[in-house]
Amino acid sequence: EDKVVQSPLSLVVHEGDTVTLNCSYEVTNFRSLLWYKQEKKAPTFLFMLTSSGIEKKSGRLSSILDKKELFSILNITATQTGDSAIYLCAVEDGNNRKLIWGLGTSLAVNP
Amino acid sequence: DSGVTQTPKHLITATGQRVTLRCSPRSGDLSVYWYQQSLDQGLQFLIHYYNGEERAKGNILERFSAQQFPDLHSELNLSSLELGDSALYFCASSARGGATSTDTQYFGPGTRLTVL
Repeated sequence: EDKVVQSPLSLVVHEGDTVTLNCSYEVTNFRSLLWYKQEKKAPTFLFMLTSSGIEKKSGRLSSILDKKELFSILNITATQTGDSAIYLCAVEDGNNRKLIWGLGTSLAVNP
Repeated sequence: DSGVTQTPKHLITATGQRVTLRCSPRSGDLSVYWYQQSLDQGLQFLIHYYNGEERAKGNILERFSAQQFPDLHSELNLSSLELGDSALYFCASSARGGATSTDTQYFGPGTRLTVL
């Protein structure tokens, strides 16, 4: 059965710390991996990854995909309280276009 | 603001009732996706419509149904509601979402359903 597993489930850090969030997957027909940030309301798109080894970067956030080991990491450097959110990882199944979601990592950044 | 709108924002109803959730995709987007998010299950894909036609089905119960209209807005109908149906229901849209394309999904603000 296809699955996406995120770790850790929950993380509490101080402002300025760097965090690494993990997403591993077992999906028969991988097409892409997506990261979303969810605060109080709807998830907002962060990155889409399709190729191994190519880092995507946006400000203090970056992400990379390893298709051989079947995982992705999301890095946040110099964390701020505004980074507090649930970070969701989803993998797209190329057969039916469905997104298979992880349960998310809850990040709390304390001042 | 993603450009995706959902109504209503909150719904409180009793068991056994039927509700309709509505979603308007971003202007020009052809695909609409419905998700259910509950505390213990995470984000669950329900169903995907592309230009009025059902494209993919996920963990959608038989008591639930959806459709996408010619103007591309979509409705999710939930009937014979049970306590366990209480959740956040998100709609997302994407530009294409056809079989040969991969594109980003943009989420609406969600509808919070509480079944008492």
